[in-house]
Amino acid sequence: NAGVMQNPRHLVRRRGQEARLRCSPVKGHSHVYWYRQLPEEGLKFMVYLQKENIIDESGMPKERFSAEFPKEGPSILRIQQVVRGDSAAYFCASSPWGLGDTQYFGPGTRLTVL
Amino acid sequence: QKEVEQNSGPLSVPEGAIASLNCTYSDRGSQSFFWYRQYSGKSPELIMSIYSNGDKEDGRFTAQLNKASQYVSLLIRDSQPSDSATYLCAVNRPGGTSYGKLTFGQGTILTVHP
Repeated sequence: NAGVMQNPRHLVRRRGQEARLRCSPVKGHSHVYWYRQLPEEGLKFMVYLQKENIIDESGMPKERFSAEFPKEGPSILRIQQVVRGDSAAYFCASSPWGLGDTQYFGPGTRLTVL
Repeated sequence: QKEVEQNSGPLSVPEGAIASLNCTYSDRGSQSFFWYRQYSGKSPELIMSIYSNGDKEDGRFTAQLNKASQYVSLLIRDSQPSDSATYLCAVNRPGGTSYGKLTFGQGTILTVHP
């Protein structure tokens, strides 16, 4: 079984550009989570999505960040007008049932903002 | 007080010894507990989940949970150099709007020297 897939693995953007990060969950998993790991910091929750629904976005910055998980296709984390402080590793995780079950992480996307 | 606290280490143990990693959490409503291992530059990899008080063993790993003391630990027996990594404690509190959110500690760096 394929695990969580993320692409691109590395993304370089200049300040002010948009970054789109994609995540395909484990086959059969309908719960997707995004986390951010800033350099020398711990993993921080950003958003929890089910198909076509945002369940919890309490960790998302109020501006420039958005996420979706459409009926078809991967989950997308979108960062508009990137700034240097957005440089981080962004991890997607998925789980089969939600409600505190095990989350399996993808390889991450390393975003560098020049 | 941090929601999830771990000793940052580094914790250094000789090959073949037992490594003991500790984690405390502040939210008494937490119900799901996880240990992840993260190698430098890689994504978190699940080692163990535990939901009930007591011990749970899987190979060389034993997780211990004490909800009354709000404490969870991970023991690694017969430590190997390949166990050298950062170990992340994660806690989930199902219920309300945050039931998909894992809260991570800062991680404990473990070094196993030959």
